[in-house]
Amino acid sequence: SQQGEEDPQALSIQEGENATMNCSYKTSINNLQWYRQNSGRGLVHLILIRSNEREKHSGRLRVTLDTSKKSSSLLITASRAADTASYFCATGSGGSYIPTFGRGTSLIVHP
Amino acid sequence: NAGVTQTPKFQVLKTGQSMTLQCAQDMNHNSMYWYRQDPGMGLRLIYYSASEGTTDKGEVPNGYNVSRLNKREFSLRLESAAPSQTSVYFCASSPERGIEQFFGPGTRLTVL
Repeated sequence: SQQGEEDPQALSIQEGENATMNCSYKTSINNLQWYRQNSGRGLVHLILIRSNEREKHSGRLRVTLDTSKKSSSLLITASRAADTASYFCATGSGGSYIPTFGRGTSLIVHP
Repeated sequence: NAGVTQTPKFQVLKTGQSMTLQCAQDMNHNSMYWYRQDPGMGLRLIYYSASEGTTDKGEVPNGYNVSRLNKREFSLRLESAAPSQTSVYFCASSPERGIEQFFGPGTRLTVL
């Protein structure tokens, strides 16, 4: 069964706008990762945030983690057409730390 | 560096046939993984290898076997393919388990 669930399932915005997608999970985690997948390609790692961290930045990406609400958000600022992709959260928990992926958010950025 | 490579890129099988999906990484990573991706289901873990010489079942291991041939290579075998195994298969590796994973380009498998 999948641990993380992304919301919304699909998001359509104009270039230059910000895109926010959320991930909720059910049990305690050790870390949470966000990945991007362009159509027909393998996943690419974006950010890893540990359970004792609240916010991380990488370029135009900002990830927050609220362990009390068991949720995370990924914000992409000033979106570009090249950001069009599916975005997945992956939670690592228990002793194995093996990430469990959600179903993803499909983001379309219109030029 | 090639990263993670997978062969073949595409494959069509008939029900009952067998095949092996190959995966290799050149990043000296300890951990390797096999996932399947189906529409609307995200990625589901089939098997993983935390380190050379070890393999463990993931969420959906039935109908599959794996071999960690050496530190570089991790193969996935379908002994008797079924239409339910039609999917896109991704191999991934990471320096250690539970951290950033690097994915291969995938193998698109169709079982008729």
